[in-house]
Amino acid sequence: DAKTTQPPSMDCAEGRAANLPCNHSTISGNEYVYWYRQIHSQGPQYIIHGLKNNETNEMASLIITEDRKSSTLILPHATLRDTAVYYCIVRVGGGGGADGLTFGKGTHLIIQP
Amino acid sequence: DTGVSQNPRHKITKRGQNVTFRCDPISEHNRLYWYRQTLGQGPEFLTYFQNEAQLEKSRLLSDRFSAERPKGSFSTLEIQRTEQGDSAMYLCASSLQTGMTNIQYFGAGTRLSVL
Repeated sequence: DAKTTQPPSMDCAEGRAANLPCNHSTISGNEYVYWYRQIHSQGPQYIIHGLKNNETNEMASLIITEDRKSSTLILPHATLRDTAVYYCIVRVGGGGGADGLTFGKGTHLIIQP
Repeated sequence: DTGVSQNPRHKITKRGQNVTFRCDPISEHNRLYWYRQTLGQGPEFLTYFQNEAQLEKSRLLSDRFSAERPKGSFSTLEIQRTEQGDSAMYLCASSLQTGMTNIQYFGAGTRLSVL
């Protein structure tokens, strides 16, 4: 699976949009981009995933660049409960290859009141 | 659907003792995963099952670790002769492989402290 690079930490004001970047310059054509987050003392929580088109769900939006070498997770109206470590993961689709997720250190997003 | 359940939530043991953790996946999920997470690090993959078959093991899974998933339902992870370096959060996840994507849902984890 491709390696990802994320900033170690970010701050965002409550009510504002939080934009979390991820670089995955070595991504392959059959690799999806997944985002998970982990709130303190809890297990990781799935947020969203995509292949090449932008995606949106009730939690967030995922913007993938046209060359697929980077992506941005957008939390449109951040709340204090969004304070967590956010992980960007790329993974081969279809269950091929290694099936476990490869987590890096993620981005610690702190929402300021 | 009550999500992935892990028991116990916390376990304190003395070095050299054996411990066993249990994971109950989301019903009808055919895949079950074990991860380990140490302080300040992201989770690290240990092993996974498709139904009752253990299909992959990480090199992190030493001989002292064994995992089972009898009948393709719940799973257990046993650590024999625990060492202080085994202190970590042990996470279980389950998924239903459909098409090209595989979303893993995690439990709250079992925190192991080896004294």
